[in-house]
Amino acid sequence: DAGVIQSPRHEVTEMGQEVTLRCKPISGHDYLFWYRQTMMRGLELLIYFNNNVPIDDSGMPEDRFSAKMPNASFSTLKIQPSEPRDSAVYFCASSLAFNLGNTIYFGEGSWLTVV
Amino acid sequence: GESVGLHLPTLSVQEGDNSIINCAYSNSASDYFIWYKQESGKGPQFIIDIRSNMDKRQGQRVTVLLNKTVKHLSLQIAATQPGDSAVYFCAEGYNQGGKLIFGQGTELSVKP
Repeated sequence: DAGVIQSPRHEVTEMGQEVTLRCKPISGHDYLFWYRQTMMRGLELLIYFNNNVPIDDSGMPEDRFSAKMPNASFSTLKIQPSEPRDSAVYFCASSLAFNLGNTIYFGEGSWLTVV
Repeated sequence: GESVGLHLPTLSVQEGDNSIINCAYSNSASDYFIWYKQESGKGPQFIIDIRSNMDKRQGQRVTVLLNKTVKHLSLQIAATQPGDSAVYFCAEGYNQGGKLIFGQGTELSVKP
């Protein structure tokens, strides 16, 4: 299996621009997670989906952030407008189920820099 | 203003020695706990997990110990190798749904 695939791997954008991060989960996985990692705050869960439906978005920082999962094999995380404090590594992850024994697999991350 | 980065706790060990990485978790109701390894430039990678009704679980060269009384989790790595150098995160979660909450991480540095 190719694992969780994220794109782009690296993005540098100017403040105010729209950023779209993409994720393809592992085939057959029912859960999809978006995490953000910074040195200051560590790994934070932003939102997760079960069977394409958002279950918990309480970690989404503010209205500038939105996430969608139009089908089982694709999700996007959008930031509009972007700000320098959004600079971080954004990880997408997926799992077959959400319980012990069903590992959450992470992608390689999208490294975002907003200047 | 200038932001100050958070410095991770660091553990430095000699190759071949055993490593013990500690983690304090916050929620006594958590059902299970997981250790992840994150190498530079990569995503976190699953190492081992343990249910809340267990005290110890062993994997290949790794052992996780759980002390629910003091809400403490540890990861022991036997015969540490240079390839073990990474940041290690503990995470806690609820069985059958809920968030997986990650700790701040510990950086393990293995000296050859």
